[in-house]
Amino acid sequence: QVQLVQSGGGVGQPGRSLRLSCAASGFTFRNFDMHWVRQAPGKGLEWVAVISKDGNTKYYADSVKGRFTISRDNSNNTLYLQMNSLRSEDTAMFYCARALGPFDYWGQGALVTVSS
Amino acid sequence: DIQMTQSPSTLSASVGDRVTITCRASQSISAWLAWYQLKPGEAPKLLIYKASSLENGVPSRFRGSGSGTEFTLTISSLQPDDFATYYCQQYNNAPLTFGGGTKVEIK
Repeated sequence: QVQLVQSGGGVGQPGRSLRLSCAASGFTFRNFDMHWVRQAPGKGLEWVAVISKDGNTKYYADSVKGRFTISRDNSNNTLYLQMNSLRSEDTAMFYCARALGPFDYWGQGALVTVSS
Repeated sequence: DIQMTQSPSTLSASVGDRVTITCRASQSISAWLAWYQLKPGEAPKLLIYKASSLENGVPSRFRGSGSGTEFTLTISSLQPDDFATYYCQQYNNAPLTFGGGTKVEIK
């Protein structure tokens, strides 16, 4: 069955970096665009970034552009989100999601807390 | 960017009630709309795609309708497992955008 298992996250200081991973199984990873979505405490869902099947095309929300980098390793079926220059407003639950138009499968979430 | 406006933001209802949530897009998105259910501690769940298509395994009490800029999610008879927060999402244009969410609470 399709699984997206997330790791990484935790507490990061303002200005520092964290990396999230999302390990995919149960489907042909290289055939799907992949996204990151986040939910800040008490807020709604916010799309963060997308990467194309081959990894050559990437788009970002304005709120993270220039600070976050989405990448993927199709040989190891893993999606990444490198988060640099963290800000307090980046505190959120982060989800990876498989895209088939809509997001049909999601990871379980990884909590990122930015605090000194 | 396409703005998605959901209403109401909170809804109090009882088991067995019929519940309707509305989602409006700031411009036409044809039928490229999805509905998701979020519960604390769980991965979000796709309920409806292409405005009215039921995702595999989702109970038939969930129904989506609409096109263009006006959409609704209806739960025909609310069950205990349905108390959650619901989000619409447009996937017609990048960046993909979500509504603000509707929390369905126990009355």
